[in-house]
Amino acid sequence: QKEVEQDPGPLSVPEGAIVSLNCTYSNSAFQYFMWYRQYSRKGPELLMYTYSSGNKEDGRFTAQVDKSSKYISLFIRDSQPSDSATYLCAMRWNTGNQFYFGTGTSLTVIP
Amino acid sequence: GAGVSQSPRYKVAKRGQDVALRCDPISGHVSLFWYQQALGQGPEFLTYFQNEAQLDKSGLPSDRFFAERPEGSVSTLKIQRTQQEDSAVYLCASRRGAGYGYTFGSGTRLTVV
Repeated sequence: QKEVEQDPGPLSVPEGAIVSLNCTYSNSAFQYFMWYRQYSRKGPELLMYTYSSGNKEDGRFTAQVDKSSKYISLFIRDSQPSDSATYLCAMRWNTGNQFYFGTGTSLTVIP
Repeated sequence: GAGVSQSPRYKVAKRGQDVALRCDPISGHVSLFWYQQALGQGPEFLTYFQNEAQLDKSGLPSDRFFAERPEGSVSTLKIQRTQQEDSAVYLCASRRGAGYGYTFGSGTRLTVV
């Protein structure tokens, strides 16, 4: 079993829709949680970085962490065609340096 | 520099050939990481440097893989006697310090034929 599980999709939504992306994990020691966006043939770009449980909002993006369920989510409001990319979740231990990534979810926003 | 720079962007190697991949991190970032990303997969950790010290190399898949960062800035990932299974995108990332996320480069796409 992988440390981090993520549905690879693909996910296709109309412009303006609310998108929900999710990851589950098995290691309760994870404390830092991140979401990255990766465009084709580019490196991952950090979107959201949260510590422990709770919500964090940044513009159209909201990250949620539920440590009791070992479940994290990224919500994208008013989705745009420019949001079309692969979204990767990542996490690490409190004292660790290595980030564990999900496989990524491919998202297409249709104009 | 403004971002993490990796070179070359693309590398085709014949099986058995040695390759060297370069990473130039953001100026002042003490932490540097190498990740391997296979097609359709998330990045997988290879190794981590803090300044010039290689503190974790647990992700290197075999002794054919070697990384260095002799002066605490530019890093090189070397793969000896490349095999087809080494074909992947090799991502370098740097970080200002603990508590921050990584900034990734665009990667080097290695194809072993």
